[in-house]
Amino acid sequence: AQSVTQPDIHITVSEGASLELRCNYSYGATPYLFWYVQSPGQGLQLLLKYFSGDTLVQGIKGFEAEFKRSQSSFNLRKPSVHWSDAAEYFCAVGANSGYALNFGKGTSLLVTP
Amino acid sequence: DAGITQSPRYKITETGRQVTLMCHQTWSHSYMFWYRQDLGHGLRLIYYSAAADITDKGEVPDGYVVSRSKTENFPLTLESATRSQTSVYFCASSDRGMTGELFFGEGSRLTVL
Repeated sequence: AQSVTQPDIHITVSEGASLELRCNYSYGATPYLFWYVQSPGQGLQLLLKYFSGDTLVQGIKGFEAEFKRSQSSFNLRKPSVHWSDAAEYFCAVGANSGYALNFGKGTSLLVTP
Repeated sequence: DAGITQSPRYKITETGRQVTLMCHQTWSHSYMFWYRQDLGHGLRLIYYSAAADITDKGEVPDGYVVSRSKTENFPLTLESATRSQTSVYFCASSDRGMTGELFFGEGSRLTVL
C-alpha cells in the first residue's frame, strides 16, 4: 500500500541551528514529492516540490530537500533555523495515476532561543 | 481579492444536524479538494473534484457529500453530523492536479456536540 511516513512527531531546535525533517514514502514508482508548512491557525503553504531531475531541490524561506531513491526518502533541511520557522511541516506524495496528494502526519517544529 | 475562501471559519453544531462547509476559489482552478486535519492523523482526503460535475471519493468519504455545479465552488455537506466529524476542514485548489501547487484555504473548525 502507498504510504508516507514522517517519523518525528515533534522536533525542537535552537535558533541558528541546522534542521533536518525526515520523510519516507512507499510508492510503486518515483512519486511526486512535496513539503508543505502550516503556521498556527493557517492553511498549508508549499515549500518545495520534486518531480524529476536534480535530486536536490531548493524552496522558499531557505529550505531545501534531497530525494534519495535508494532510501525512499525526501528529507527537508535548513542550515540555520529562525524563530519564525516554528510551524507544522507536512511531507506529501502523489502518484502519476491519480489527482490527489497523500500527506504524512506532520512534524511539529519548536524553535528555542 | 483573489484566493480561496472557506466559510464558516468556526461552527458548533449538534449530533444529527446537517452542516455545509463552503469553499470558493477565484482562480478558476480545475481541481478542488477537501481534507480534514486531526491530531495524530495529519491531513486526510475526503473528496476531490477534477472539474465541474466530476467528483470522487478520497480516503475518508463516509458521512460526507460534495457537489460541484460551478468550477469555483466546492461545498462539503455533513448530512447527519457525528462527534467523530469534529475536526478542522481544509479546502484546496490546484490548476494541474497533484503536479501543481495546492492552494489551501484557512480552514473551517467544526465542533459537533
